[in-house]
Amino acid sequence: DAMVIQNPRYQVTQFGKPVTLSCSQTLNHNVMYWYQQKSSQAPKLLFHYYDKDFNNEADTPDNFQSRRPNTSFCFLDIRSPGLGDAAMYLCATSRGASGRYNEQFFGPGTRLTVL
Amino acid sequence: AQTVTQSQPEMSVQEAETVTLSCTYDTSESNYYLFWYKQPPSRQMILVIRQEAYKQQNATENRFSVNFQKAAKSFSLKISDSQLGDTAMYFCAFMKHDSNYQLIWGAGTKLIIKP
Repeated sequence: DAMVIQNPRYQVTQFGKPVTLSCSQTLNHNVMYWYQQKSSQAPKLLFHYYDKDFNNEADTPDNFQSRRPNTSFCFLDIRSPGLGDAAMYLCATSRGASGRYNEQFFGPGTRLTVL
Repeated sequence: AQTVTQSQPEMSVQEAETVTLSCTYDTSESNYYLFWYKQPPSRQMILVIRQEAYKQQNATENRFSVNFQKAAKSFSLKISDSQLGDTAMYFCAFMKHDSNYQLIWGAGTKLIIKP
């Protein structure tokens, strides 16, 4: 089945130690998103790629970076995690056409713990 | 700017009952899409139902249906014959027709189905 895969599902890191989360998709979608979701809150969009074009949300901290080496993979790098960065990180994809075909498909998420 | 409001932080009903989750939104756009997403505990976010604003007919998906009132800017979700597996966070979301990425999310409603 076509899907969005996130690895690892659970990640523990130390305060200030860089960490990378990965996302892959078999849907061949143009757009890939990274969201941060804190407990019982709505997802907050960090950035997205439309093909190779990177789009950063204005309030995304510089501590968060992303890479998309090819259509299938996208990475979230947190350069110096702080305690406030502990959250669920969701990857999503969409076709990229405007309108109804821009339904977003989500991965299972990576829960990040910062010690 | 668009906003989405879910006024019920938490609801609980008995299994097999019908429950309605409310969502209101604010926009000056005439053409847009509305979504209900479901996020079960420790599981991934999935799309429950979508509604195109230009369609007067309310969307339905099996036990899930919406009451879309465009003039009132209201988009409620009705779950009939509720099941234990319906226990989840439910998020209402808005997207402009010409947007290719940005979902505006409500704060979510935690729905608990009791046996």
